[in-house]
This record gives sequence, structure tokens and C-alpha cells, in this order.
Amino acid sequence: GAGVSQSPSNKVTEKGKDVELRCDPISGHTALYWYRQSLGQGLEFLIYFQGNSAPDKSGLPSDRFSAERTGGSVSTLTIQRTQQEDSAVYLCASSLGPPGQGENEQFFGPGTRLTVL
Amino acid sequence: AQRVTQPEKLLSVFKGAPVELKCNYSYSGSPELFWYVQYSRQRLQLLLRHISRESIKGFTADLNKGETSFHLKKPFAQEEDSAMYYCALKSNTGKLIFGQGTTLQVKP
Repeated sequence: GAGVSQSPSNKVTEKGKDVELRCDPISGHTALYWYRQSLGQGLEFLIYFQGNSAPDKSGLPSDRFSAERTGGSVSTLTIQRTQQEDSAVYLCASSLGPPGQGENEQFFGPGTRLTVL
Repeated sequence: AQRVTQPEKLLSVFKGAPVELKCNYSYSGSPELFWYVQYSRQRLQLLLRHISRESIKGFTADLNKGETSFHLKKPFAQEEDSAMYYCALKSNTGKLIFGQGTTLQVKP
């Protein structure tokens, strides 16, 4: 079956513009995660959705970042008034169930490479 | 604080040489640790987890609670092992905390 998909694969934007990044998780996966992969910073957790529960937003770096998940499936990460330091690869992952239940492996998408000029 | 440290950004070895990618963690409680790998132009994928005590592609990792380490080892490196390797810790809320990653370069 299809894995996690993300769009666009690449996004170039100008400083100050808003961007939206999309993630389609694996069908049936109830948990969805966003991470940021920056050069020299490793992988940084941003936000986590589990079913209808309130998302864990503890990793969002500023209030310019927000995310939503509609219908328990597709998720959109929005970055408002982008800054150059937002340039990174944004990764989405999904897992079958909550991370605390058993060994729910996270499956990653190919990422969206964001470049802010 | 919950933290994962991978001290080496780059590890370069010759084919056939032993490999050890270091990972240290900070966590109060019983940790759950993973190694993820990202080959060139491929997506990040799970390599192994300490709970399973498995060997994948010749790699093993042993959890050492005394040293708070979860080093990844392979006795004989192959060129196809060249990739970025991330050590990860499952936090008490379930999200993964990643280290900064180590690029393994296996030279012919």
C-alpha cells in the first residue's frame, strides 16, 4: 500500500510569506507527527496528533507555526511570515496507534524541503 | 531532561572495518530506544529498536543503562551501509526525541 505522502516536495518562498505543507498519512493510522530536519540540528519534534485528542504542540518553535488535522487524516502545517531560519526539511510520520501502546513504528514521508529566501 | 546525544557528525571507515555509532541518552525511567536510518534520496526508516533485541542488516545495538548508551555496531561495514543514522528515544509522552545524527561513510 501507499506510504506517507507529503506535498509539495520542494517549496521556495520569500521571507514574510505564508506557506502550507501537506501530509497524507497511511490509511488507518491514527497518530500523525511533524518533525523538522535542519542542517546541524538533527530532527526536531514539532507537533503530534492522536485521534480526536488535543494535539501535543510542545515542539512548535513559535506562534508563527500551526498545524491542523482534518477528519483524522490529512494534516496541514502552516508557517506564517516565514523567516530564513525556517528553511529546513519538514517531515511527517504516522503510526498505527498511540505511541504508548505497544511498538507502534513511525513511518516517515519523503519530506518537504522549504527554502526561505 | 530527556535528551539524545550523538557525538560524531561524521564517521568514515573502510569497507570490512568494524563500525560503532555512538548514542547516549538522558531519561529518568525505563527508556525505549531506536535507531533510524536515512539512505541517500530515501525516506527515514526504522532500523532497529532495543526492545526487539534483533540484528538488522548485520547491525546490533545494546542498551547499557549504567552508561546510558545505545551504541550501534556492525563487525564488518559494507559500502551500502553509507547513510545518515539517527538514535531516538521515546519520550514519556510518546513522541520521539532524536539525536543530531551521524553520517556513516564507508569507503571502498
